[in-house]
Amino acid sequence: AQSVAQPEDQVNVAEGNPLTVKCTYSVSGNPYLFWYVQYPNRGLQFLLKYITGDNLVKGSYGFEAEFNKSQTSFHLKKPSALVSDSALYFCAVRDNSGAGSYQLTFGKGTKLSVIP
Amino acid sequence: NAGVTQTPKFQVLKTGQSMTLQCAQDMNHEYMSWYRQDPGMGLRLIHYSVGAGITDQGEVPNGYNVSRSTTEDFPLRLLSAAPSQTSVYFCASRLSGSGEQFFGPGTRLTVL
Repeated sequence: AQSVAQPEDQVNVAEGNPLTVKCTYSVSGNPYLFWYVQYPNRGLQFLLKYITGDNLVKGSYGFEAEFNKSQTSFHLKKPSALVSDSALYFCAVRDNSGAGSYQLTFGKGTKLSVIP
Repeated sequence: NAGVTQTPKFQVLKTGQSMTLQCAQDMNHEYMSWYRQDPGMGLRLIHYSVGAGITDQGEVPNGYNVSRSTTEDFPLRLLSAAPSQTSVYFCASRLSGSGEQFFGPGTRLTVL
């Protein structure tokens, strides 16, 4: 079975400081990894994904994430946080081989608050 | 493109009532899914479909039915609503392969 852990329910960061939202995963085969953002009373918006290749993935709104196979992690980062980045962030994984390859499994989410 | 659309946006039901949540996509995506979102639990997969006429159960399928008669539509039926089904429901779709999922705006359901 595949799973995702987001160890922090909430992350607080000052505006202008770098931010990191942590994610670790478990799959049987090779992972497809995704980050989504949810603003209040809205659906989920895609930020970025790792499929294969370069371990550093760049996405929307200046976000990036680093895939680390040995640590089974896919942490989301941004060099300089904005107040408008305050939202709920979800990490998700899909096993790209065999059983489970259709299903996307989400973490429980991390609430990011950027303090002016 | 309208993307993924869901209706209604809000719904209040009484225990035992039935209803259908509608979902449609205009991107010709093969895969469609239904999730429920509850506080502190992330998104949990209810049912999914890999193409017209093919559906399968996800993590929390009990109390829900789906069908996929066309590529575009994937309705979710609540057979006999229970208070435990109070949640926000999201429909999503994607292409096969490595594509990301596109989400609808959600339906907020309250069962009294």
